[in-house]
Amino acid sequence: IAGITQAPTSQILAAGRRMTLRCTQDMRHNAMYWYRQDLGLGLRLIHYSNTAGTTGKGEVPDGYSVSRANTDDFPLTLASAVPSQTSVYFCASSDFWTGSTDTQYFGPGTRLTVL
Amino acid sequence: AQSVAQPEDQVNVAEGNPLTVKCTYSVSGNPYLFWYVQYPNRGLQFLLKYITGDNLVKGSYGFEAEFNKSQTSFHLKKPSALVSDSALYFCAVRDLSSNDYKLSFGAGTTVTVRA
Repeated sequence: IAGITQAPTSQILAAGRRMTLRCTQDMRHNAMYWYRQDLGLGLRLIHYSNTAGTTGKGEVPDGYSVSRANTDDFPLTLASAVPSQTSVYFCASSDFWTGSTDTQYFGPGTRLTVL
Repeated sequence: AQSVAQPEDQVNVAEGNPLTVKCTYSVSGNPYLFWYVQYPNRGLQFLLKYITGDNLVKGSYGFEAEFNKSQTSFHLKKPSALVSDSALYFCAVRDLSSNDYKLSFGAGTTVTVRA
């Protein structure tokens, strides 16, 4: 069982370019999340999805979009990247509906640099 | 609103000594509380959580945490630290009175265990 996979592992991107970060989970979790990690700020939620077909905004959604066409995949798109989006991005999932197992499990991260 | 504070950016201890990483929280209702650990260039790994019941929660790798409602704290502890415990530790909270299940993370505490 792989858990959560993210791609790419790292990327250097020119400002203004479009970029999609991929996230796939094989745990059949209903909920998925995207966070960015910045030094001194911890993890901040960008977008989330309660279940396939629904998405919601987190703390820092501006400049990002997500889709949830199926249970397993939750891509994050930067329509026009800016240097302030340089960060490490983590995808996570949880099985909310079973109550006591709503622990979030994280992928290995994508390190994105926007120049 | 929900939030978490980790008052120490860094904690340094000698191997074999007790380790404590502090966390305080703020919620409107009752909290779910979590501790995660992040090793260099890796994603976050779940350590333990408090939902209800016994205030002392035992988790992975010999870690435990004590929930203190009156002090709104959830400090992480390990009786005898190992060099391999050196990592970045995050506390997180979810407010059970809210209608969503988003986690709020602290800024993180870097633990260094010296041999």
